[in-house]
Amino acid sequence: ETGVTQTPRHLVMGMTNKKSLKCEQHLGHNAMYWYKQSAKKPLELMFVYSLEERVENNSVPSRFSPECPNSSHLFLHLHTLQPEDSALYLCASSYLSPYNEQFFGPGTRLTVL
Amino acid sequence: EDKVVQSPLSLVVHEGDTVTLNCSYEVTNFRSLLWYKQEKKAPTFLFMLTSSGIEKKSGRLSSILDKKELSSILNITATQTGDSAIYLCAVGTSGTYKYIFGTGTRLKVLA
Repeated sequence: ETGVTQTPRHLVMGMTNKKSLKCEQHLGHNAMYWYKQSAKKPLELMFVYSLEERVENNSVPSRFSPECPNSSHLFLHLHTLQPEDSALYLCASSYLSPYNEQFFGPGTRLTVL
Repeated sequence: EDKVVQSPLSLVVHEGDTVTLNCSYEVTNFRSLLWYKQEKKAPTFLFMLTSSGIEKKSGRLSSILDKKELSSILNITATQTGDSAIYLCAVGTSGTYKYIFGTGTRLKVLA
């Protein structure tokens, strides 16, 4: 059982749909992250939020739009995705200091048809 | 470009065996190296190694950081079927919030 929850756990969507992924952390952390995990590829960092401000954006296509309304919640809004966007999307949180590990949520398995 | 490489990509052993997983890195301004275990979905934290803490041990698991060789190993002794998972290595660098992950080593322990 982790202190980071994600919904939905599975999502199937068409290329023209709009959907959102939700992440919530109950650990009192002040930084939150979105990662993409594709088969046989390393975890790719997508976005980092610190104290609700986006501090890193790793050249992610604009069809992915993050939102961090407060330090406990993080969203990833999806629109006009491509089949190659199918992957496991993991949310993580941590304290924002150089020597703190990240705690991960269970992920959302996304399939784009 | 910063990168982290793990080897082997996959490994099959029998219960009771000892395994050694490798992680090598090429990054600027190394800060820390982390090991995670990923069983079903969420990676769970195992160890963090830094310049001031190059060796960690917890039960049957231990890890060492070799800053000269730019690498780390994760040892698991007396393996059990519950050790079957993907083991991820991640490296953090100074001046950034991100960790660079390797592709992971998939370990399968047979009964």
